[in-house]
Amino acid sequence: DTAVSQTPKYLVTQMGNDKSIKCEQNLGHDTMYWYKQDSKKFLKIMFSYNNKELIINETVPNRFSPKSPDKAHLNLHINSLELGDSAVYFCASSQVEGNEQFFGPGTRLTVL
Amino acid sequence: TQLLEQSPQFLSIQEGENLTVYCNSSSVFSSLQWYRQEPGEGPVLLVTVVTGGEVKKLKRLTFQFGDARKDSSLHITAAQPGDTGLYLCAPHYTGGFKTIFGAGTRLFVKA
Repeated sequence: DTAVSQTPKYLVTQMGNDKSIKCEQNLGHDTMYWYKQDSKKFLKIMFSYNNKELIINETVPNRFSPKSPDKAHLNLHINSLELGDSAVYFCASSQVEGNEQFFGPGTRLTVL
Repeated sequence: TQLLEQSPQFLSIQEGENLTVYCNSSSVFSSLQWYRQEPGEGPVLLVTVVTGGEVKKLKRLTFQFGDARKDSSLHITAAQPGDTGLYLCAPHYTGGFKTIFGAGTRLFVKA
């Protein structure tokens, strides 16, 4: 069974559209994360979230919003997509912050 | 704001050579993790170091945590093509985002 799964694997869309990326973890972890990895492979934290606290990287535009329907899911919703949003987005989870993070396979987003 | 640097950014070596990758910060870490990421996949944990001066070995990989807990190194002995990948250090701090990833070292080992 896949520990952290993301859908879709690839997402190609037009500028201005709204899209969502889904993430699910079956590890029973309390904390989930979203990262953006650009073409230079820099892995930038966007959000970390547990059932008590959402920490937002202040450099992330408010067009990006995490939504957690339950402890096992943390979806990423993006409004008004821009060319610069093109990147690979990784979801991850850990038991608590600071512990080993388990990453999903990534979603490659291309904005045309 | 924590300043985190990884070096070198890119390394291309022949099979059998040794190499060292460095991770340095302006702040003290409570612990540090090293991850490896292969193309098309997410990062995977290699090791966690917690105590200043700690040395851990994972087959041909040796990880060291600096005495002052502000730096770490990863040494690979007799590199193999299978070691090719992006190596990321991830210090754990006590405030804000507790884990930050370095910019990474891209290693390419030629057969």
